Amino acid sequence: GAGVSQSPSNKVTEKGKDVELRCDPISGHTALYWYRQSLGQGLEFLIYFQGNSAPDKSGLPSDRFSAERTGESVSTLTIQRTQQEDSAVYLCASSQGLAGDNEQFFGPGTRLTVL
Amino acid sequence: DQQVKQNSPSLSVQEGRISILNCDYTNSMFDYFLWYKKYPAEGPTFLISISSIKDKNEDGRFTVFLNKSAKHLSLHIVPSQPGDSAVYFCAATGRAGGTSYGKLTFGQGTILTVHP
Repeated sequence: GAGVSQSPSNKVTEKGKDVELRCDPISGHTALYWYRQSLGQGLEFLIYFQGNSAPDKSGLPSDRFSAERTGESVSTLTIQRTQQEDSAVYLCASSQGLAGDNEQFFGPGTRLTVL
Repeated sequence: DQQVKQNSPSLSVQEGRISILNCDYTNSMFDYFLWYKKYPAEGPTFLISISSIKDKNEDGRFTVFLNKSAKHLSLHIVPSQPGDSAVYFCAATGRAGGTSYGKLTFGQGTILTVHP
């Protein structure tokens, strides 16, 4: 389909390892967002990319988290030296423009479990 | 600092009755509000939104009400159907130039169960 896709759907890793999560946005969407949902919590904003502008990284919880986006396509979220508190569902969304009038379309998420 | 709060973790309603989901916010810079619906193992899907210049927006069975003075919004579903059973998140975003612009701030979600 033409929706947002994410891979892997599930990732189990050991504490201290690095992980990389991938997001393929809807073609033509200039804005791409990463959120995470910890158990029993709402979605927490992490970072967004909009066109060629500098990304808004204000939601990244620590310097172990980073994200890249290639043009207006694929994005990867990297978590270095994972900790147990990083366990969450990581959700990617894309939209034709920034949040507000532009609906964000979400992928199914990647469930990360850090043992 | 929870800027968007959904104080009811769950709500149970009989089919055909009205479901009312509530949401409160604290950031006066928020000027656009949205409701998302989420099924297990799926990403949230957009349901309905409202701009701060309005106090009501209606789309079929779904109506969102905004009370800016109380910093409160609610989602009404009538009549409720078993297929409406899901987690409902309210979200907010702010004006251009503010720190909340461009991204959504979500509440914790309310699990709605509609019984046949």
